[in-house]
Amino acid sequence: GAGVSQSPRYKVTKRGQDVALRCDPISGHVSLYWYRQALGQGPEFLTYFNYEAQQDKSGLPNDRFSAERPEGSISTLTIQRTEQRDSAMYRCASSKTGRETQYFGPGTRLLVL
Amino acid sequence: AQSVTQLDSQVPVFEEAPVELRCNYSSSVSVYLFWYVQYPNQGLQLLLKYLSGSTLVKGINGFEAEFNKSQTSFHLRKPSVHISDTAEYFCAVSAITGNQFYFGTGTSLTVIP
Repeated sequence: GAGVSQSPRYKVTKRGQDVALRCDPISGHVSLYWYRQALGQGPEFLTYFNYEAQQDKSGLPNDRFSAERPEGSISTLTIQRTEQRDSAMYRCASSKTGRETQYFGPGTRLLVL
Repeated sequence: AQSVTQLDSQVPVFEEAPVELRCNYSSSVSVYLFWYVQYPNQGLQLLLKYLSGSTLVKGINGFEAEFNKSQTSFHLRKPSVHISDTAEYFCAVSAITGNQFYFGTGTSLTVIP
């Protein structure tokens, strides 16, 4: 594909609702990363996959956050019972392998009211 | 784990003047180093990276950075900036044996006409 795409680009939800954020990586890229970026901060690692296997989820803040990549391509980050503190930009990145350059998508801006 | 410190949160500079954006890192193991740029309302784009070899790395748009192991620094420089360089710049570090990227808090570069 041309690049990493994410959808939706903007999501406004009410506190307590579940949200699902989608990432479509560059075709053929093995590794996929999720980051959260608060305003005025750098991206903060959440989790990453090699193919369909979740290799590291140490950055997920609590058990309301989960991610999957069932077929080793598209990934979904799910936040259950959203809270206002979950409001942030959620970024996805992919790379050919785990130690190659990461290519970032445009992000999903989540606002929890 | 690794960490990155970007000492300057905002750097204003006049057009055609030189600029240096500072980045220091902390790690107990060997690392890869990266600089990413984020233009308004866009995703992060790789400017340059240091993996091994020459400590002076040249990237896109006339930027370069020098890896200094003794000072644990990877400062970004450009001899003459343009208005179009106005953006947020992020330094990132990754252990050569790991897959996590750790980003700094970013430096906002504003080029003044």
